[in-house]
Amino acid sequence: NAGVMQNPRHLVRRRGQEARLRCSPMKGHSHVYWYRQLPEEGLKFMVYLQKENIIDESGMPKERFSAEFPKEGPSILRIQQVVRGDSAAYFCASSPPGQGSYNEQFFGPGTRLTVL
Amino acid sequence: AQSVTQLDSQVPVFEEAPVELRCNYSSSVSVYLFWYVQYPNQGLQLLLKYLSGSTLVKGINGFEAEFNKSQTSFHLRKPSVHISDTAEYFCAVTSDTGRRALTFGSGTRLQVQP
Repeated sequence: NAGVMQNPRHLVRRRGQEARLRCSPMKGHSHVYWYRQLPEEGLKFMVYLQKENIIDESGMPKERFSAEFPKEGPSILRIQQVVRGDSAAYFCASSPPGQGSYNEQFFGPGTRLTVL
Repeated sequence: AQSVTQLDSQVPVFEEAPVELRCNYSSSVSVYLFWYVQYPNQGLQLLLKYLSGSTLVKGINGFEAEFNKSQTSFHLRKPSVHISDTAEYFCAVTSDTGRRALTFGSGTRLQVQP
């Protein structure tokens, strides 16, 4: 059973370009979470999605950032008009569907974004 | 709102020595607590979790943690560390209200020396 997959693993963009980060959850998982890790810091929650729905986007910057999890295909985190401060590692996690208030989140290897 | 404080940014220790990584949290509701390990350039791997029940939780790789509600702590311990335990360790919390976002501490870098 493959784990959470993220691509690309490394992404370099110039200021003003767009960055697209992809996340394929584990098989059978319908919940996806995105976190950002700035250098020398812990992970910060950005957004929680289920198929075709954004459940919690309280950690998303108000501008330039968007996320989707379509019915088919991977989840996409999109950053428009990137700036140097967007340089970070972006981690995706997935969890299975369930009725409980907590399901374990399994993390991908991350995408390291560098903005020149 | 929740927060997590990891009191030590770096912990150097000799191989086969015991280690404790400290974690304190604050929350106005009941919580679930976790420890994750991150090896260089990799994602996070769950070491152990506290959801309910016994306050002493055993995890993978010989690690354990104790939930102390009165002191709002969840310290991670290992009686004898190996070189391979060198990594970044993150404490995290989420509430039992159904909001699933994890709140992470800033991490503790464990450096095991021969």
